[in-house]
Amino acid sequence: DTGVSQNPRHKITKRGQNVTFRCDPISEHNRLYWYRQTLGQGPEFLTYFQNEAQLEKSRLLSDRFSAERPKGSFSTLEIQRTEQGDSAMYLCASSYDSLGNTGELFFGEGSRLTVL
Amino acid sequence: QKEVEQNSGPLSVPEGAIASLNCTYSDRGSQSFFWYRQYSGKSPELIMFIYSNGDKEDGRFTAQLNKASQYVSLLIRDSQPSDSATYLCAVNDGSEKLVFGKGTKLTVNP
Repeated sequence: DTGVSQNPRHKITKRGQNVTFRCDPISEHNRLYWYRQTLGQGPEFLTYFQNEAQLEKSRLLSDRFSAERPKGSFSTLEIQRTEQGDSAMYLCASSYDSLGNTGELFFGEGSRLTVL
Repeated sequence: QKEVEQNSGPLSVPEGAIASLNCTYSDRGSQSFFWYRQYSGKSPELIMFIYSNGDKEDGRFTAQLNKASQYVSLLIRDSQPSDSATYLCAVNDGSEKLVFGKGTKLTVNP
């Protein structure tokens, strides 16, 4: 297993365009998370899936953001009508066990978004 | 709003010294506490987690938790240049999300 994989690694787009990021978690992990990290800040939670069900969503996730995990394997995060404030590193993580049971988050290398 | 506070640093220590990283949190309902290391341009990786008051040791790393003071720390003994990174404190309230601090940048000078 090569770990959590994210694509694309870098995306530059113009304001107003839509972008989509893909995350392939570690194969036996049924929990998948999206975080966003800006320069000088820690990661901020966006959303969480257990299998295909989206169980938690941050208030940070505006209506322009949507995430899916259709078959409980890979996940996509789409941002519609991008704004300059969306520029950030989007981190995907997966876990085998619940965080409450000492589940460790395994992060991917991230997808860096730059909105011009 | 649940907050996790860290001194952003940078914290600079000589090779072989003890590096002490501190973190405070606002939510008294917090249940578990994590330290992640993030090298520049890389993703965070877990170093240690702690649930109970007191100390937890793993190799050169010791995590300390004081729930009454809402304080958690990480000590790195015999610091090495390879320990130079940003250290992120993260707190969990029993849900499936972590609240991270901004991180402390550590530099270990040879």
